[in-house]
Amino acid sequence: NAGVTQTPKFRVLKTGQSMTLLCAQDMNHEYMYWYRQDPGMGLRLIHYSVGEGTTAKGEVPDGYNVSRLKKQNFLLGLESAAPSQTSVYFCASTPGQFTEAFFGQGTRLTVV
Amino acid sequence: DQQVKQNSPSLSVQEGRISILNCDYTNSMFDYFLWYKKYPAEGPTFLISISSIKDKNEDGRFTVFLNKSAKHLSLHIVPSQPGDSAVYFCAATINNNDMRFGAGTRLTVKP
Repeated sequence: NAGVTQTPKFRVLKTGQSMTLLCAQDMNHEYMYWYRQDPGMGLRLIHYSVGEGTTAKGEVPDGYNVSRLKKQNFLLGLESAAPSQTSVYFCASTPGQFTEAFFGQGTRLTVV
Repeated sequence: DQQVKQNSPSLSVQEGRISILNCDYTNSMFDYFLWYKKYPAEGPTFLISISSIKDKNEDGRFTVFLNKSAKHLSLHIVPSQPGDSAVYFCAATINNNDMRFGAGTRLTVKP
């Protein structure tokens, strides 16, 4: 049972480049989330989804887009990467809205 | 606007002793609180939670205490073990809408 899997684990981007982070969960959870973690700060919610085909903004949504075309997948896109988006990104899923979360192992993104 | 604060970035304790991790919050509307544990290069994992209608919840070596009047919660680990060395995050939610995390406390348990 893999739980929540994120792809890739590491990535270096140049300013202005685009990329997509993939999150997949095999627990049949309705709710999925993307967080970023920065030094000295807690995890901050970027976007979340309450079911297939839905997305909603979190605390820090600017510069990111998301899609939930399939229940098991939640994609996070950066259209034009900026150095301020250098961070560790975590995907999570929950059986209920904002209940105990299952997290992926994280993606360390560096934008130079 | 950091609504959930963990003011101690790090804590070091001896194996077998008690570890006490603290968390303060500013929004009195938070009604559910959680603690997560995170090892390096891994995602956080859920540890224990408490509803605002309770003041204590216990699970094995882990106990969470909630003091609503002080807007404070704490996680007690007794006895502490070297495998408990990790970063601990507290989190809070209001009626299952949004979840706010503290910045984390790095616990080191020395053998």
